[in-house]
Amino acid sequence: DQQVKQNSPSLSVQEGRISILNCDYTNSMFDYFLWYKKYPAEGPTFLISISSIKDKNEDGRFTVFLNKSAKHLSLHIVPSQPGDSAVYFCAASERRVGAQGSNYKLTFGKGTLLTVNP
Amino acid sequence: EADIYQTPRYLVIGTGKKITLECSQTMGHDKMYWYQQDPGMELHLIHYSYGVNSTEKGDLSSESTVSRIRTEHFPLTLESARPSHTSQYLCASSERGQGLGGELFFGEGSRLTVL
Repeated sequence: DQQVKQNSPSLSVQEGRISILNCDYTNSMFDYFLWYKKYPAEGPTFLISISSIKDKNEDGRFTVFLNKSAKHLSLHIVPSQPGDSAVYFCAASERRVGAQGSNYKLTFGKGTLLTVNP
Repeated sequence: EADIYQTPRYLVIGTGKKITLECSQTMGHDKMYWYQQDPGMELHLIHYSYGVNSTEKGDLSSESTVSRIRTEHFPLTLESARPSHTSQYLCASSERGQGLGGELFFGEGSRLTVL
């Protein structure tokens, strides 16, 4: 059962326009959300994150919005650039207490392939 | 820029062979992880370590094994590779556990194909 869902496998936008990538989750215990970007033949790289106590976090062209009541977050990229073309993974973090103390379990979505056309 | 390295980047081998995927990081991170990812699918955690001589299995069952004898090194071994092991394996490290603030730093991945 997928706890983090990215329902759009792909998205295509024109350069200069806004890209909106969506992510839904089902586990109300998630308290931190992250977006990773992955280019072909490379590992994912961290892009931006948001704590569950906030509803917006902005970093340059990237903004993440969180709607806790709807269990939905979105990543906005504006303006989109061809170099933004990549797979974007949504991830959610849940705190767990174990023998090693508190640690955080990260659950990933399947990713959305963003293509920004010149 | 993250300093975490994986070798080999690509490996094609026959069924029954033993393989080791290497992962090293130079950031002094205590926590290291192995994820498995198939195309178009989510990343699944298969192993993690919170420090030297500490290893745990992740959420996705895997026939692979790991070891953590040194902080910087976290190799993954398959004793007898099978076609079902064909996948991309991603190594990662972090300072403060998964997901909180400091995030995960990923290597470039090892794409394994078992014929």
